Amino acid sequence: EVQLVESGGGLVQPGGSLRLSCAASGFTFRTYWMTWVRQAPGKGLEWVANIKRDGSENYYVDSVKGRFTISRDNAKNLLYLQMNTLRAEDTALYYCARDEDWGMGTLSIWGQGTMVTVSS
Amino acid sequence: QSALTQPASVSGSPGQSITISCGGTTNDIGSYNFVSWYQHHPGKAPKLMIYEVTKRPSGVSYRFSGSKSDNTASLTISGLQTEDEADYYCCAYAGGSTVVFGGGTKLTVL
Repeated sequence: EVQLVESGGGLVQPGGSLRLSCAASGFTFRTYWMTWVRQAPGKGLEWVANIKRDGSENYYVDSVKGRFTISRDNAKNLLYLQMNTLRAEDTALYYCARDEDWGMGTLSIWGQGTMVTVSS
Repeated sequence: QSALTQPASVSGSPGQSITISCGGTTNDIGSYNFVSWYQHHPGKAPKLMIYEVTKRPSGVSYRFSGSKSDNTASLTISGLQTEDEADYYCCAYAGGSTVVFGGGTKLTVL
């Protein structure tokens, strides 16, 4: 079964750090671009970042540039999102998703999400 | 990286057709044929309904269709069913390997 399972969310203070993980199974992970999308409470979906198949390129929404880092380990079928200098506005449910179209936003497989709460 | 523009809500009766619009710019919808639509039921993972403007993934009902004109994309759902009630999001490629979502539209089936 094709599956994505996120983990690593939790409660963190403003200015703190957190690393999210996304475990992929049931498909050849190394052949797909991967994406992180978030949804703040009561808000819509927001594209956060994506990463090329071999990890050589990555791209971010302006609001997280310089604070978040997307990476992947193709040997372990894992996608990561390192989040530093967290702000209250980063509070959201974070989804990982598989992109069918080389980073152009055709997100065919989604995980169930992991919740990140930034609060003192 | 401005969000695409969607109506906050639309509604229709069972059996009717509705259309959700998605307004973009010449930097995203107007320049690329990479527009996708997602159905999102609360508490569940979003589901891809339309990709590359008009294509339907395997398993998605023929009642869902997509189109694009200039800087605006549209999702049409025909023969509305109660299970179609959900939030719908458009998504477009914005160049430079970045992607932008719309603000979402809540569909109510009366």
